[in-house]
Amino acid sequence: EAQVTQNPRYLITVTGKKLTVTCSQNMNHEYMSWYRQDPGLGLRQIYYSMNVEVTDKGDVPEGYKVSRKEKRNFPLILESPSPNQTSLYFCASSSGYGYTFGSGTRLTVV
Amino acid sequence: GENVEQHPSTLSVQEGDSAVIKCTYSDSASNYFPWYKQELGKRPQLIIDIRSNVGEKKDQRIAVTLNKTAKHFSLHITETQPEDSAVYFCAARQGGGYSTLTFGKGTMLLVSP
Repeated sequence: EAQVTQNPRYLITVTGKKLTVTCSQNMNHEYMSWYRQDPGLGLRQIYYSMNVEVTDKGDVPEGYKVSRKEKRNFPLILESPSPNQTSLYFCASSSGYGYTFGSGTRLTVV
Repeated sequence: GENVEQHPSTLSVQEGDSAVIKCTYSDSASNYFPWYKQELGKRPQLIIDIRSNVGEKKDQRIAVTLNKTAKHFSLHITETQPEDSAVYFCAARQGGGYSTLTFGKGTMLLVSP
């Protein structure tokens, strides 16, 4: 089944403790992206990647890192999470038009 | 960069009524306009899209119209049903290939039986 897989689905962590949210797609898509969703603000792009080893900042990249060492994987790294990064995160991939989203990761930073 | 405005933020209708959600975009170079539906607790899913060389597209009870001159596009849902209740996002994409989608802030549609 074609899909984008994110893990974990839920995560509660403490301020400053490094964490990684994984994202993997099995559709051979070149484009992958991370979004965060907050009430009233919609979906805001954090980072995106157009191919292996090619990443670029979106609208809200501060406090996040990404890497794209393989085509299928695009992890999101929070080196020192803060409470304002509490949010619902979505990974997405695309073959050029519509996005396929992962199931989401609900992150709470206390 | 692109800016997408979406209205209304909430919309309540009775079952069987029509619902219309409107979006405007800022960049005249945008050429692809998808709509996503997000049910409570789930991921956004593509429901319909339109490209800039087409003025209207229909899929059963859902239609999208595009006015390039005015830079706005709309989602029309006819004969609404309770299962249409969800948050709907419009989006616009500049350029081609793997350009980024810019999303509107979403419309919460509530269909009452």
